[in-house]
Amino acid sequence: GAVVSQHPSWVICKSGTSVKIECRSLDFQATTMFWYRQFPKQSLMLMATSNEGSKATYEQGVEKDKFLINHASLTLSTLTVTSAHPEDSSFYICSAPNRQGPYNEQFFGPGTRLTVL
Amino acid sequence: EDQVTQSPEALRLQEGESSSLNCSYTVSGLRGLFWYRQDPGKGPEFLFTLYSAGEEKEKERLKATLTKKESFLHITAPKPEDSATYLCAGYSGAGSYQLTFGKGTKLSVIP
Repeated sequence: GAVVSQHPSWVICKSGTSVKIECRSLDFQATTMFWYRQFPKQSLMLMATSNEGSKATYEQGVEKDKFLINHASLTLSTLTVTSAHPEDSSFYICSAPNRQGPYNEQFFGPGTRLTVL
Repeated sequence: EDQVTQSPEALRLQEGESSSLNCSYTVSGLRGLFWYRQDPGKGPEFLFTLYSAGEEKEKERLKATLTKKESFLHITAPKPEDSATYLCAGYSGAGSYQLTFGKGTKLSVIP
C-alpha cells in the first residue's frame, strides 16, 4: 500500500509555543490530505482538509487561526498548532487518498503525539 | 447526515474463538466502505475496501462483507496479535475524499 509519513512522531512543548507537524506522501502525489485529531479511547475526528494550491477547509468548531495548514507541495502538508495550550494535547494523524489506486483508499500516517505542558 | 455505527464497542475473545464485528451505516450514495486496524499510539492501517452489496474480501483470518445497510468483519480463529481497535468508515464520494468514521471496536484476544 501507499506510504504516508509524519514528523515528528511525538513532541512536548511549553504552553504558548507553536508546533509544526509535517505529513508526507512518500510514493504518490496527494493534492488533498486530511488532518484528524484523536483523544484517548475515542475515534478520529476530522479537523480539516488540506488542498494543494488553495486554502484548507476546516470542520465546524475548529479554529483556523489556531490550526494553520499549508499544503506546500503535492507530497507535503503541514499543520501548525499556534500558541498551544494543554487542551491541545492530543494525537494528530494525517491521511491522503491515493488517486492512482483503483479505489481512492486513504492511507494514514503513523500519527504525532503532542503534549503541551 | 452520514453516520457510521460500530458494535460492540469492545469484544474479548479467547484465542481461536471466532466472532464478527458489525458496522451499520447511513451514508448517502455510499461509494465505498473501508475497514482499518489501529494499534495503540499508531495511525490506522488499511485493511479492506468494499464497494457493492454482496462483496466479500479476505485477508488471513479476516473477512469483510457488505450488505446494503451494514458490513461485517469476521475474525476466524483469532490470535493475540489480532488485538487492536477496528475502525469502519464510509465514503460517499460527494465531491471530496472525506470519510465518515465509526467509533471503533476494541478487540482483545486472550491467549
